Amino acid sequence: GENVEQHPSTLSVQEGDSAVIKCTYSDSASNYFPWYKQELGKGPQLIIDIRSNVGEKKDQRIAVTLNKTAKHFSLHITETQPEDSAVYFCAATRYSSASKIIFGSGTRLSIRP
Amino acid sequence: ETGVTQSPTHLIKTRGQQVTLRCSSQSGHNTVSWYQQALGQGPQFIFQYYREEENGRGNFPPRFSGLQFPNYSSELNVNALELDDSALYLCASSQSGGASYEQYFGPGTRLTVT
Repeated sequence: GENVEQHPSTLSVQEGDSAVIKCTYSDSASNYFPWYKQELGKGPQLIIDIRSNVGEKKDQRIAVTLNKTAKHFSLHITETQPEDSAVYFCAATRYSSASKIIFGSGTRLSIRP
Repeated sequence: ETGVTQSPTHLIKTRGQQVTLRCSSQSGHNTVSWYQQALGQGPQFIFQYYREEENGRGNFPPRFSGLQFPNYSSELNVNALELDDSALYLCASSQSGGASYEQYFGPGTRLTVT
């Protein structure tokens, strides 16, 4: 069945350093890959997304890359700040009339001062 | 622009009871999806509603059911509650039929079954 694997499960980086989270997906028909940030007690917040016709997308300190051939995609956060501490989820979906999102298992990112 | 809202925030039920959770979609959105998030895990797709009909379902038993109303708000109903139903229930709204793929989540309802 459809599956998204996410690594690492926990990540601790020094403030100002970069953080990288990696995901792989199984459904080759997936064509939309959102990333969500979830803070304690809140719902997931969409922070960036990428479509299958694009290899890379950047928004200020956040960038995502997609390798369709290898079915890999990654989130890169540069110049990390304390407010970046949260759980991050990658996800994949086949955009259609029933766009169920398949989520990874999450990465708990901690930023050390 | 009004975001996705859910009620109640927290709920405690006893095994075997029934529960109804509510979701109001973001203004301009016509589709609502429901997800179950167990502690320490990613959200799992339950089902999606579009034009007041179920439009896709995940691996959840029939005792999970839903409704969508003409104003696009939605309900999730769970019958015969089991202990494993304890989780954060999230709804997400989106606009089907357009160029936008994004789904936006509400804050969730924390359900505890004892």
